[in-house]
Amino acid sequence: QVQLQQWGTGLLKPSETLSLTCAVYGGSLSTYYWSWIRQFPGKGLEWIGEINQGGNTNYNPSLKGRVTISVDASKNQFSLKLISVTAADTAVYYCARYTWLSAIFMHDYWGQGTLVTVPS
Amino acid sequence: TQLTQSPSSLSASVGDRVTITCRASQAINSYLVWYQQKPGKAPKVLMHSASTLQSGVPSRFSGSGSGTDFTLTISSLQPEDYATYFCQQLNTYPVTFGGGTKVEIK
Repeated sequence: QVQLQQWGTGLLKPSETLSLTCAVYGGSLSTYYWSWIRQFPGKGLEWIGEINQGGNTNYNPSLKGRVTISVDASKNQFSLKLISVTAADTAVYYCARYTWLSAIFMHDYWGQGTLVTVPS
Repeated sequence: TQLTQSPSSLSASVGDRVTITCRASQAINSYLVWYQQKPGKAPKVLMHSASTLQSGVPSRFSGSGSGTDFTLTISSLQPEDYATYFCQQLNTYPVTFGGGTKVEIK
């Protein structure tokens, strides 16, 4: 059974860098894409981006170059960095596995979520 | 691709039939997923490919549609179904979500 466990700093000041890591247990990073998704206090969901084991990435243009997703295959982990945070980045951040095999597309496994707060 | 869900909330009784719609701003084939989310938990897949029930999900859930208009139906609402439901499109980048539908007890 695949499990994702995430951690990182929960309270930031404006202009600081958000840094989160997600470890994958019970499965390999290979074959899949690994995503970051956030949920705002009003409950809306926003896809941040994704990476595969080879380091190929896709990002949401809305984040305007502030985001970097990286992978450490030796540790079976992937990470999120978001620079120059503001209060608008306050959200619960989730890591998730993106399945795209056999014409099935979905985020089927999710981390537990990390609340990141940036006071205004 | 923008996804518009309706209604944003609804009140229903146990045993009621509930229908939630999701409309895409452009055609997304059948690359649509429905999630259920309960307070404090991550979203959980109910349906993928618009109409394929995810393993382990009760058969009272069903999905339909293709192109731009999609529907999630709960045939007989159960107490454990009170939650928020989201649609998601995976046809084009960036991946996007609908605004959610909160199903509450009447």
